[in-house]
Amino acid sequence: IAGITQAPTSQILAAGRRMTLRCTQDMRHNAMYWYRQDLGLGLRLIHYSNTAGTTGKGEVPDGYSVSRANTDDFPLTLASAVPSQTSVYFCASSESGALNEQFFGPGTRLTVL
Amino acid sequence: GQNIDQPTEMTATEGAIVQINCTYQTSGFNGLFWYQQHAGEAPTFLSYNVLDGLEEKGRFSSFLSRSKGYSYLLLKELQMKDSASYLCAVSDSNYQLIWGAGTKLIIKP
Repeated sequence: IAGITQAPTSQILAAGRRMTLRCTQDMRHNAMYWYRQDLGLGLRLIHYSNTAGTTGKGEVPDGYSVSRANTDDFPLTLASAVPSQTSVYFCASSESGALNEQFFGPGTRLTVL
Repeated sequence: GQNIDQPTEMTATEGAIVQINCTYQTSGFNGLFWYQQHAGEAPTFLSYNVLDGLEEKGRFSSFLSRSKGYSYLLLKELQMKDSASYLCAVSDSNYQLIWGAGTKLIIKP
């Protein structure tokens, strides 16, 4: 692993299904983030974690949950997917907080039908 | 509310100079970032400004005026590989990044 990885790369999902997007970093960064990116809109923060064991809500948290059991992993779960959650999801990490450069994973393209 | 404004799209010629503007209205200010994002790829960090003035880094420079809520990214000696979207983001009073929608830069030969 080099940097930050996400899985899957893309996914088509039926509405109502549960889905977990995976994110792993090997840089020992304290802070991690989940964003969604939609055409014509800026990146929007879904959830974040400033350190292992803590999480917080971002701008658009509804319908999503996260956990941060350890430093490296930060999975994002859609409990019951809806079509409006069709988007590209980026995971990012930084040494600590939003004053440091964020490193982004390659993204997951999710389509909910 | 919080708002970051950037032009949607700009076109420039290879070898020329282009300036991409960003204006912001946020609750608090803890710095402004510029990121580059090629189509289908992840954003990558370009610059960070927290004090007024110009920061130069090779062909790219970034300027900040906190009193005017304004920044620009200056790209010199444009190359075809500079064709990408450029994202402006501000760290607000909660140290969360507020992102603009991005400026798509098209470079023509």
